[in-house]
Amino acid sequence: EAGVAQSPRYKIIEKRQSVAFWCNPISGHATLYWYQQILGQGPKLLIQFQNNGVVDDSQLPKDRFSAERLKGVDSTLKIQPAKLEDSAVYLCASSPRRVAIDTQYFGPGTRLTVL
Amino acid sequence: DAKTTQPTSMDCAEGRAANLPCNHSTISGNEYVYWYRQIHSQGPQYIIHGLKNNETNEMASLIITEDRKSSTLILPHATLRDTAVYYCIVRSNAGNMLTFGGGTRLMVKP
Repeated sequence: EAGVAQSPRYKIIEKRQSVAFWCNPISGHATLYWYQQILGQGPKLLIQFQNNGVVDDSQLPKDRFSAERLKGVDSTLKIQPAKLEDSAVYLCASSPRRVAIDTQYFGPGTRLTVL
Repeated sequence: DAKTTQPTSMDCAEGRAANLPCNHSTISGNEYVYWYRQIHSQGPQYIIHGLKNNETNEMASLIITEDRKSSTLILPHATLRDTAVYYCIVRSNAGNMLTFGGGTRLMVKP
């Protein structure tokens, strides 16, 4: 079974530029998550999708971050404009259903450096 | 979700058992204890979870105290590849969120 795919793996941009990350979840997984992991900290949930609808985006900085999951499969996370404090690893995860006992499977992440 | 407390770091000799403790004194009856680990430059990886009973799988064992206020993850024969940050997470069944704390950085030494 293929895992969660993310691209790019690394991205370096200057502040005020825009950037987009792509995630392809495990086939058939209904729930998709984006996490932000700042160096030395645990991952923090940004947004959760159930199929193509947003379930929870309470921690997403909506003035600069946006995310979509067209057709309930792939997802993109965009930052516009980027700030220095957005430097982090952005992790995508998926799970079969939106229930507590479901395991979340994580991708390798995209490491963003904002200069 | 209940808060968890873990030691910041631990060392373990290769081939020995690694016992990673976690305190979750405010856990409620319907909350599960989950363990994930994150090897350097990789995404978190699920290890094991439990509600009340002790659990074992091919990766580890999870021992939950009778009052459920603490638990221990046991890696029975640690290898160098087990060097990682281990996260203990208490998870409500009201949603599907994983709230990560700082975790325990386990260093397995030869």
